[in-house]
Amino acid sequence: AQSVTQLDSQVPVFEEAPVELRCNYSSSVSVYLFWYVQYPNQGLQLLLKYLSGSTLVESINGFEAEFNKSQTSFHLRKPSVHISDTAEYFCAVSQAGTALIFGKGTTLSVSS
Amino acid sequence: DAGVIQSPRHEVTEMGQEVTLRCKPISGHDYLFWYRQTMMRGLELLIYFNNNVPIDDSGMPEDRFSAKMPNASFSTLKIQPSEPRDSAVYFCASRSSGYSGNTIYFGEGSWLTVV
Repeated sequence: AQSVTQLDSQVPVFEEAPVELRCNYSSSVSVYLFWYVQYPNQGLQLLLKYLSGSTLVESINGFEAEFNKSQTSFHLRKPSVHISDTAEYFCAVSQAGTALIFGKGTTLSVSS
Repeated sequence: DAGVIQSPRHEVTEMGQEVTLRCKPISGHDYLFWYRQTMMRGLELLIYFNNNVPIDDSGMPEDRFSAKMPNASFSTLKIQPSEPRDSAVYFCASRSSGYSGNTIYFGEGSWLTVV
């Protein structure tokens, strides 16, 4: 069975500081990995995904995540955050043809 | 292109009443998922369909919950009778089995409050 652990429930940071949101997964087979973002009172939006190939994946708004198979991790990073990055971030795992299994989420709070 | 459409967006109902949530997936998508989000339990997969057939309903909490997908463009999640502990945000999502990178697209959610 697959599972996802997001190691931090809340991450407060100041604007323009770097941030890392940690995610570890458990699976006995090859998986696909995702980060979704949820802004207040909205649905989930895909931020980035790892399917195969390069282990470093990037989003259009400056986030990146690196797939580390040996450590079964898929941490999300951004070198400099903005107030507008304040949201809930979910790490998720799936196998081909199955549903996404989500972590509990990490609340990123960016203040000035 | 329209995204996943859910209705109602908000519903407040009394305990014991029947609740029906509706979902229209993205056209051409052959997988449909129902998730529930609460503060305590996070995002839980309730059930998912492939080509209108339920594949995994192990997440459906109990017999009070039922889901149907009569055709490729419509699904319902029904709760009968509803209880206060069913209060949550219910998300419908869909994806294509073609090479879309396994990306699942979510609707805006149905916010259910049972009083």
